Amino acid sequence: EAGVVQSPRYKIIEKKQPVAFWCNPISGHNTLYWYRQNLGQGPELLIRYENEEAVDDSQLPKDRFSAERLKGVDSTLKIQPAELGDSAVYLCASSSREYWGEQFFGPGTRLTVL
Amino acid sequence: AQTVTQSQPEMSVQEAETVTLSCTYDTSENNYYLFWYKQPPSRQMILVIRQEAYKQQNATENRFSVNFQKAAKSFSLKISDSQLGDTAMYFCASNTGNQFYFGTGTSLTVIP
Repeated sequence: EAGVVQSPRYKIIEKKQPVAFWCNPISGHNTLYWYRQNLGQGPELLIRYENEEAVDDSQLPKDRFSAERLKGVDSTLKIQPAELGDSAVYLCASSSREYWGEQFFGPGTRLTVL
Repeated sequence: AQTVTQSQPEMSVQEAETVTLSCTYDTSENNYYLFWYKQPPSRQMILVIRQEAYKQQNATENRFSVNFQKAAKSFSLKISDSQLGDTAMYFCASNTGNQFYFGTGTSLTVIP
């Protein structure tokens, strides 16, 4: 079974430019998470989806960040415009209640904003 | 909201020795899950071990075991016979109803 897929793995952009990250969760997992992880820190939740509904986006900086999961499967996270402080690893994870709610993580996208 | 606290930012252990990583959490829920995740340098986060809060028996996975003290809200990870491949960041996490809360992590270095 394929794991959580993320692309791209690395992205370098100039500040004020837009950037988008894509995630395809494990098949059958209804819950999808986007996290931001700064160097040496734990993951911080940006948004959580149950199917296509965003049920927790309280930590998403909505002035510049947006996300969608239109068909309840794959998801896109966008930043526009990017700022220097957005440099981080963006992790996608998915879970299913069948597995104790365990989260399965993707490899992440390392974003560098210059 | 739950909070998860890892009070040891960095730890080291000699190869083949045993090390214990600490974690405390705060929740008002009765039913929840606890996890330890491992994140090797520049690599993917993977599950090490998990514990259901209503189970009194401590979980064990090969060289990894936990000491779950529900009343004290403590969930420590013991790694026995440490190996070089155990070098990684370790994150403690709690889960209630699909809401996950992570600690700040402990960086473990296994010394040859």
